[in-house]
Amino acid sequence: QSVLTQPPSVSAAPGQKVTISCSGSSSNIGNNYVSWYQQFPGTAPKLLIYENQKRPSGIPDRFSGSKSGTSATLAITGLQTGDAADYYCGTWDSSLSAGIFGGGTKLTVL
Amino acid sequence: QVQLQESGPGLVKPSGTLSLICDVSGDSISSPIWWSWVRQPPGKGLEWIGEVHHTASAHYNPYLESRVTMSLDWSKNQFSLNLSSVTAADTAVYYCARVSSQYSGTSLSRAFFYWGQGTLVTVSS
Repeated sequence: QSVLTQPPSVSAAPGQKVTISCSGSSSNIGNNYVSWYQQFPGTAPKLLIYENQKRPSGIPDRFSGSKSGTSATLAITGLQTGDAADYYCGTWDSSLSAGIFGGGTKLTVL
Repeated sequence: QVQLQESGPGLVKPSGTLSLICDVSGDSISSPIWWSWVRQPPGKGLEWIGEVHHTASAHYNPYLESRVTMSLDWSKNQFSLNLSSVTAADTAVYYCARVSSQYSGTSLSRAFFYWGQGTLVTVSS
């Protein structure tokens, strides 16, 4: 059972917007920055968002991140079939002195 | 361009030790950053195993700490993972990663910017 809670799955139609939530506590999300990763089957995760809302070079602005209190959200607008993947949130837990991930969310683009 | 590549046995016997190496190119493991291991059991999510700093200090997952050791080989620009007393539950794809880490006030930012392709390790007799 993950310290960070994500919905197991979300779905939306092409062109629509979808949001994925990541819920934690004051020892992790509440006091540290959140990153988001995209993973396709059989491949390594890829960084999408760091420091809650920053995008690495090459990540389109259709992907955005936000944080409020002990929760974070990844939003994807203008959904494309190629966005179908698993998405993970991650952060540092200051009480555990450990890195932690959410359980992952499977995005289906209908 | 930073590149990481995992290597090691794909099959380990129960109660044995899992040993993996991550070869780093495009960067030096002597840089003031953290180098990490993350694993993913088949069909499941990501699990942080731990990380080692260029100074050789380390942080480990509290649930694995008694079995994990990470180290650096500056001469080969590699870092390694040893996981002892393995069971079938340790079967997973193991990834090495480069961690970008900094404090902003009291808040810590940690993100895995670069990942290896991953290597599957199966624990079985």
